Amino acid sequence: AQSVTQPDIHITVSEGASLELRCNYSYGATPYLFWYVQSPGQGLQLLLKYFSGDTLVQGIKGFEAEFKRSQSSFNLRKPSVHWSDAAEYFCAVKDQAGTALIFGKGTTLSVSS
Amino acid sequence: EAGVAQSPRYKIIEKRQSVAFWCNPISGHATLYWYQQILGQGPKLLIQFQNNGVVDDSQLPKDRFSAERLKGVDSTLKIQPAKLEDSAVYLCASSLGRDRTNEKLFFGSGTQLSVL
Repeated sequence: AQSVTQPDIHITVSEGASLELRCNYSYGATPYLFWYVQSPGQGLQLLLKYFSGDTLVQGIKGFEAEFKRSQSSFNLRKPSVHWSDAAEYFCAVKDQAGTALIFGKGTTLSVSS
Repeated sequence: EAGVAQSPRYKIIEKRQSVAFWCNPISGHATLYWYQQILGQGPKLLIQFQNNGVVDDSQLPKDRFSAERLKGVDSTLKIQPAKLEDSAVYLCASSLGRDRTNEKLFFGSGTQLSVL
């Protein structure tokens, strides 16, 4: 069965600094991969997704992620973090049969001034 | 465009009591999901509906949880009786339901349940 691991529970970065959130997946074939963000009191919002093609995908709010099959990873990056990016970030996977999303445990991002 | 509506926003009950959550998906969305998000964990799928039929309820604790989606629109999730470990945020999501692999899920803000 597919699974998702987010190794970092909590990350703090300075405003304006770059960000990378790690995600590793377990799945035999090429999975469908997603990053969601959850702000306090808000619903989950899709940042970006990867299905096939170019392994570097662009998302909303200046985020991007790179699919690396050799490392079974799909890390989320942002070149310059803003205070409003402080939130919980979830990586998720779906298999090719289109079953429901399997989420990681999430990484909490704090932004310091 | 109206989003996924959920109510109530918060609910506090004692163990062994019953509770129900309501979800109104985005108009025209055929697929509806209920997820349970325990503090410190990612959301876990409880049940998935396609119109008013159940697609996947393999992780729904059927001895105490039930869900229905009459007429293929609104949905209700019920817990009876509640246990302490049911304390969580219950998220409802919906999608168009035309492509199971390549479509966006829209999430509601959730109902936060505390069982004392």
